[in-house]
Amino acid sequence: GAVVSQHPSWVICKSGTSVKIECRSLDFQATTMFWYRQFPKQSLMLMATSNEGSKATYEQGVEKDKFLINHASLTLSTLTVTSAHPEDSSFYICSARAGGDNQPQHFGDGTRLSIL
Amino acid sequence: AQSVTQLDSQVPVFEEAPVELRCNYSSSVSVYLFWYVQYPNQGLQLLLKYLSGSTLVKGINGFEAEFNKSQTSFHLRKPSVHISDTAEYFCAVSEYNFNKFYFGSGTKLNVKP
Repeated sequence: GAVVSQHPSWVICKSGTSVKIECRSLDFQATTMFWYRQFPKQSLMLMATSNEGSKATYEQGVEKDKFLINHASLTLSTLTVTSAHPEDSSFYICSARAGGDNQPQHFGDGTRLSIL
Repeated sequence: AQSVTQLDSQVPVFEEAPVELRCNYSSSVSVYLFWYVQYPNQGLQLLLKYLSGSTLVKGINGFEAEFNKSQTSFHLRKPSVHISDTAEYFCAVSEYNFNKFYFGSGTKLNVKP
C-alpha cells in the first residue's frame, strides 16, 4: 500500500517551455503533498507543501510564480515549471501524506527534468 | 531548526564486507529518524525508521540502525553487503508532525566484487 506515482519520469524540453509534473497517490487519499528538488550530488530540498484545496506554502527562496503547485484533489498534485530554463534542470520528487500530522510521507519515484 | 550531517560522501566497500554509514543530526526538539535509499534515476525508498522504543531498528534488505541520543547519531549498518546495495543513502529527520523532512547530503555506497 501507500504508492505514490509521478509522471513523467523523464522529460526533455526546450528553454522557455512550461512543464507539468503530476504526483498521484494511488491507493490512499493524500491531504498533504510535498515537492522536493534534488540538485546533482546534493540532497533533497523541500520546495513547497500543498494541502488539498488550499494554496501551497513555499519554502524561502522558492519562486511561487516559477513553480506553480496545484492540489485540486485528494489524489493529485501538480507542479508546473513555467518558462523553464537550463538552471531549472533537476530531479523533482513528490511525497504524499494521508491524514494530518503524525502520518508518514510516501515518496514518488521522481521526475528528471532536462531543459535544453 | 534541524540539520543532518552525513560525513562520508562516498563509501567504497568490497562485497560481503560490513559497512557503516554515518549520520549525525542536530535538533532543538525531539525528532523521528529515517534512512532512505535512492537507486539511479529513482525516488526514495524507506529502509528503516526510528519513532520510539528500542534504539536498535531493523529495516529491509538486512540493514539496521542504532539511535544514540547522547551522541545525536543514527548510523546505518549492514554486516555483509551485496553488489545490489550499491546506491545512494540518505539520512533524514522529521519533527513529530512529519510536516518537514530534513535530509543529509547523502552517502554513495559503492560495493565492489
